[in-house]
Amino acid sequence: NAGVTQTPKFQVLKTGQSMTLQCAQDMNHEYMSWYRQDPGMGLRLIHYSVGAGITDQGEVPNGYNVSRSTTEDFPLRLLSAAPSQTSVYFCASTQTGGGETQYFGPGTRLLVL
Amino acid sequence: AQSVAQPEDQVNVAEGNPLTVKCTYSVSGNPYLFWYVQYPNRGLQFLLKYITGDNLVKGSYGFEAEFNKSQTSFHLKKPSALVSDSALYFCAVRDYNNAGNMLTFGGGTRLMVKP
Repeated sequence: NAGVTQTPKFQVLKTGQSMTLQCAQDMNHEYMSWYRQDPGMGLRLIHYSVGAGITDQGEVPNGYNVSRSTTEDFPLRLLSAAPSQTSVYFCASTQTGGGETQYFGPGTRLLVL
Repeated sequence: AQSVAQPEDQVNVAEGNPLTVKCTYSVSGNPYLFWYVQYPNRGLQFLLKYITGDNLVKGSYGFEAEFNKSQTSFHLKKPSALVSDSALYFCAVRDYNNAGNMLTFGGGTRLMVKP
């Protein structure tokens, strides 16, 4: 099992550009989520999904879109990048049923100029 | 609403000494509590969790944590620190009744173990 994979590992964007951060998991987990990590602020939830076709907003959803067409994939879209979106982005999938342990991908480091 | 506080930005300890990383939480119902560790340029790795049962939870790499309901705390401990334990540690909580199983994370505590 590869677990949770994320691409790209690093990306530089100019203000106003759009891009999609990819996330995939091969553990057949129903729940997936996106976080951003900023210094001193821990991880903040952007969007999450409790199953294919179902998504919801987290703590900091503005400027991001998500969709969940399959159980495996949960891409995060930046519609018009802003410098405030410079961060490290982590995707996670959740093992439910007696555990609720989240498994994290290796992260995508995004720099918006 | 659920929240987590990690009151120390950094904890310094000498190798071989016991370590404690503090965490307090707030939930309206029963908590699920987690500790994760992050090494440089890596994702978060699961260490241990409290769901129910024994208040002392044992996890990976010799770490343990004690759930204290009256103090709403879930401090991470290790009897003898290693230099390789140096990393960023995150406490997280989920209210049992929180739909979606999403966690709320603390701000993180950097553990520095010196030889």
